[in-house]
Amino acid sequence: DAKTTQPPSMDCAEGRAANLPCNHSTISGNEYVYWYRQIHSQGPQYIIHGLKNNETNEMASLIITEDRKSSTLILPHATLRDTAVYYCIVERRGNKLVFGAGTILRVKS
Amino acid sequence: DTAVSQTPKYLVTQMGNDKSIKCEQNLGHDTMYWYKQDSKKFLKIMFSYNNKELIINETVPNRFSPKSPDKAHLNLHINSLELGDSAVYFCASSQDPGVANTGELFFGEGSRLTVL
Repeated sequence: DAKTTQPPSMDCAEGRAANLPCNHSTISGNEYVYWYRQIHSQGPQYIIHGLKNNETNEMASLIITEDRKSSTLILPHATLRDTAVYYCIVERRGNKLVFGAGTILRVKS
Repeated sequence: DTAVSQTPKYLVTQMGNDKSIKCEQNLGHDTMYWYKQDSKKFLKIMFSYNNKELIINETVPNRFSPKSPDKAHLNLHINSLELGDSAVYFCASSQDPGVANTGELFFGEGSRLTVL
């Protein structure tokens, strides 16, 4: 069973920041937060992961609350190509991932 | 070069047939997986192999048999295909978790199986 809760869908204007929330209130101390996305008809793509600290890479930023019970994925300048299903996954190791329903992000011009 | 490649991309077949989907990764990873994405779009892990040994088998019917001839390949053979086997099957690979990484998955583009 997925250990996360995400909104089923969100809209974002092109060029604006997309902030995708995720609740993981039962996360344990050794579990990471992973984000993947799946663009239509493609395989899932790794975006970012974190344990406690906020993380940033060339694709996105991950903000994890101090109690680790929730996090937010930030796409700083969303483009139409960012339209996808975004999955927030909590797992101790990244190689046994359980995907939930995710959030459908629609970026609109 | 494609990191994780699957063939065929599309497969249409009749009920009762036996078919295989092949997967190869050129990333030098130790672990490979098969995931199934059904019509409701949920991605579920089926199998995981580490260095040619089965490490995860998520209650998949024994009509499904993964075969790993070497650590760069993980093929999926399906016997006596049923209508409910229609889905997109994704292969993935990862490096073993270690100090420098936590084993992120790299997915192939998927193989869409349609059973008529």
